[in-house]
Amino acid sequence: EAGVTQSPTHLIKTRGQQATLRCSPISGHTSVYWYQQALGLGLQFLLWYDEGEERNRGNFPPRFSGRQFPNYSSELNVNALELEDSALYLCASSNPTGLTGNTIYFGEGSWLTVV
Amino acid sequence: DQQVKQNSPSLSVQEGRISILNCDYTNSMFDYFLWYKKYPAEGPTFLISISSIKDKNEDGRFTVFLNKSAKHLSLHIVPSQPGDSAVYFCAASEYGNTGKLIFGQGTTLQVKP
Repeated sequence: EAGVTQSPTHLIKTRGQQATLRCSPISGHTSVYWYQQALGLGLQFLLWYDEGEERNRGNFPPRFSGRQFPNYSSELNVNALELEDSALYLCASSNPTGLTGNTIYFGEGSWLTVV
Repeated sequence: DQQVKQNSPSLSVQEGRISILNCDYTNSMFDYFLWYKKYPAEGPTFLISISSIKDKNEDGRFTVFLNKSAKHLSLHIVPSQPGDSAVYFCAASEYGNTGKLIFGQGTTLQVKP
């Protein structure tokens, strides 16, 4: 069974440009999450999509946005790129979420470098 | 405010011995805890989890212990193998907000042959 897949693996953008990262969840998973791991920092929660709706977002500015498509895949858009946006962006997925905990599986990540 | 803390940045153990990785948390609303293993430039790999209604969960060489009164959890790896060398993250989620994982800073485990 395929895991969470992300594309592109690496992306280099210029400051001020926009970046789009894509994610396909594990088959059967309807919830998709985005996390950021900047150099020297831990994993920070970015966004959570469930059945096409944004359920929660982390402490990131509005230029970080995304969406979830009817097939449950997702994309993350980062507008007006800044140098500090350079990071590993991780997508994750899980079975439909309830009130109690759920195992979340991560993809290999997309490296975004802003120059 | 660091809600999940892994106070040991690194740990070195001999192959075949036990590795114990620790994690403390401050948020009493956390009700689900997970451990992930991560190699450089790769995504985290899920290892084991535990619900707050349990105090122990075991899966092969990996056992997680939860002490709710102390707000402390630990991951035991027995026996440790060189392939276990990686960064280990503990993570937690709140009841009703299960998709938002709060991660610790990670502990780098080195298992020496």
